[in-house]
Amino acid sequence: KAGVTQTPRYLIKTRGQQVTLSCSPISGHRSVSWYQQTPGQGLQFLFEYFSETQRNKGNFPGRFSGRQFSNSRSEMNVSTLELGDSALYLCASSLEGGNTGELFFGEGSRLTVL
Amino acid sequence: AQSVTQLDSQVPVFEEAPVELRCNYSSSVSVYLFWYVQYPNQGLQLLLKYLSGSTLVKGINGFEAEFNKSQTSFHLRKPSVHISDTAEYFCAAQRGTGGGYNKLIFGAGTRLAVHP
Repeated sequence: KAGVTQTPRYLIKTRGQQVTLSCSPISGHRSVSWYQQTPGQGLQFLFEYFSETQRNKGNFPGRFSGRQFSNSRSEMNVSTLELGDSALYLCASSLEGGNTGELFFGEGSRLTVL
Repeated sequence: AQSVTQLDSQVPVFEEAPVELRCNYSSSVSVYLFWYVQYPNQGLQLLLKYLSGSTLVKGINGFEAEFNKSQTSFHLRKPSVHISDTAEYFCAAQRGTGGGYNKLIFGAGTRLAVHP
């Protein structure tokens, strides 16, 4: 069974640009969550989608957005990039949208903003 | 609000020695607790979880953790570590009542370095 797939794995952008990251969850998983990982702030929750609906959102500015498609694939977008957006963005999927916390993580998309 | 504190940022240990990675949490509501491991250039992998029931939970790779409600702790232990256990370990909490929706609050992480 294929795991969570994130693309691209690495990307470099400049300040002011925007970026779209993609996540394909494990087949059959309907919940997709996004996390930002930085050396300074650690792992922080961005948002969670279930059946194309955003159910929970972290404390990030509106420049960070996401969506989920009918096939459960998800994308997140960051507009007007800032240097501080440089991070590893992790996507995680789970079978149900409940509270078990058993998340399956992808390897992440490492974004560098110059 | 929930918070998770990992008391050690780095833990060096020799191979085959026991290890304990400490985690404390704070929450005004019931919580679920987890330990995840991250190997270099990889995502996170679930080691074990506590949802309810027995306070001693066993996970993969020989790890176990004990939930202590009175001390609000969830320490991770392994009786004998291997070189391959070298990684970053994250303790995480999630609201145990409705509305958690896979929103995990992570600790800052503990880097376990196993030396030969």
